[in-house]
Amino acid sequence: GQQLNQSPQSMFIQEGEDVSMNCTSSSIFNTWLWYKQDPGEGPVLLIALYKAGELTSNGRLTAQFGITRKDSFLNISASIPSDVGIYFCAGQLTGSGTYKYIFGTGTRLKVLA
Amino acid sequence: NAGVTQTPKFQVLKTGQSMTLQCAQDMNHNSMYWYRQDPGMGLRLIYYSASEGTTDKGEVPNGYNVSRLNKREFSLRLESAAPSQTSVYFCASKAGGPYEQYFGPGTRLTVT
Repeated sequence: GQQLNQSPQSMFIQEGEDVSMNCTSSSIFNTWLWYKQDPGEGPVLLIALYKAGELTSNGRLTAQFGITRKDSFLNISASIPSDVGIYFCAGQLTGSGTYKYIFGTGTRLKVLA
Repeated sequence: NAGVTQTPKFQVLKTGQSMTLQCAQDMNHNSMYWYRQDPGMGLRLIYYSASEGTTDKGEVPNGYNVSRLNKREFSLRLESAAPSQTSVYFCASKAGGPYEQYFGPGTRLTVT
């Protein structure tokens, strides 16, 4: 099945560092969503993006809808231990009238205190 | 608001047994979805219901059936469970249009 290419797969960082991750595809998307999933929980929506070039922040999180509409980026500034988890991107294909989303395989983030 | 709720939270089945996973949302959303999540993989769509009264197959529908009971509830049934169906199952809902999906807490299913 079709999936987004999400990178990196995992990362270990020191508390206080900034984090960057991205999702890319050969397909064009008209919506990008970013989720965080804690162990044993369902994904929680962090940021939603609807326009190419859009830059949206949610606290220390900033996400961008790529200008080509084929990619998206998520940045976390000044990481803290509770940022630990798996981050997923999800994209909605253009022309997908039923509004199905395709998910990336996730970036597993570990923060070292 | 509870958002999206799922029952049960955990389940162990023997091969060949059947069961129904329940999902309900209180956000008055039109669309509802069932996904499975396996280690190292993203979420894969099993079935979805774009609106009350309609259901459609997703990426991995084999071995599953669904029922959109009403606008609030969307159930997933395994008629004859197989070990390959061991997974975490998530239900999600979305308002009409290209908007955000909201997920439930998941059902962790093990088939032995």
